Amino acid sequence: DTEVTQTPKHLVMGMTNKKSLKCEQHMGHRAMYWYKQKAKKPPELMFVYSYEKLSINESVPSRFSPECPNSSLLNLHLHALQPEDSALYLCASSQVGQGPKLFFGSGTQLSVL
Amino acid sequence: GENVEQHPSTLSVQEGDSAVIKCTYSDSASNYFPWYKQELGKRPQLIIDIRSNVGEKKDQRIAVTLNKTAKHFSLHITETQPEDSAVYFCAASKPRPFSGGYNKLIFGAGTRLAVHP
Repeated sequence: DTEVTQTPKHLVMGMTNKKSLKCEQHMGHRAMYWYKQKAKKPPELMFVYSYEKLSINESVPSRFSPECPNSSLLNLHLHALQPEDSALYLCASSQVGQGPKLFFGSGTQLSVL
Repeated sequence: GENVEQHPSTLSVQEGDSAVIKCTYSDSASNYFPWYKQELGKRPQLIIDIRSNVGEKKDQRIAVTLNKTAKHFSLHITETQPEDSAVYFCAASKPRPFSGGYNKLIFGAGTRLAVHP
């Protein structure tokens, strides 16, 4: 299995809602990432988990809360988002210390109303 | 901090022609240079990568060259096909100070390639 699976594919939420994005991989990768991508822009790193521990937080606002329950799963909890948070949210995984050679999921297209 | 500049921002070629996309990086410690292809509405996919101990790497119709002295690397696509139409991102990373650590990828701004039949 060489896939990174993300759910849901699309999400529309209001500014007072709480929602979660989910990501799963079964490639044995021990590094997992959340990226945010605006239209016509490159992906921007948000968080990195290495061996299930948060190792990088790129000064992301606290309304985004990551969680890594085990080596295959990565969640991103969303609360009180702003319209400017609307974007494609990409999960990725890689072997630790190799590149990193990222395998991306298909992403969740998020719209905040 | 590390910066990666990518040119051109858009590139239009006829089917069968070659396409070249160039990137320049700022940090001489960078040692890993991947290229990602992102079709409209799809995920970025790694298409080729090169490490600093190699000057050139080829995989069928695509090749990447690296000039460490000039700090630039290029993607070459030969015999382009309409399915090569996509946005291409270059990136660079450097080693962390300890083994097994995370190497942050710095992306270029992207090149939108259009291949016309």
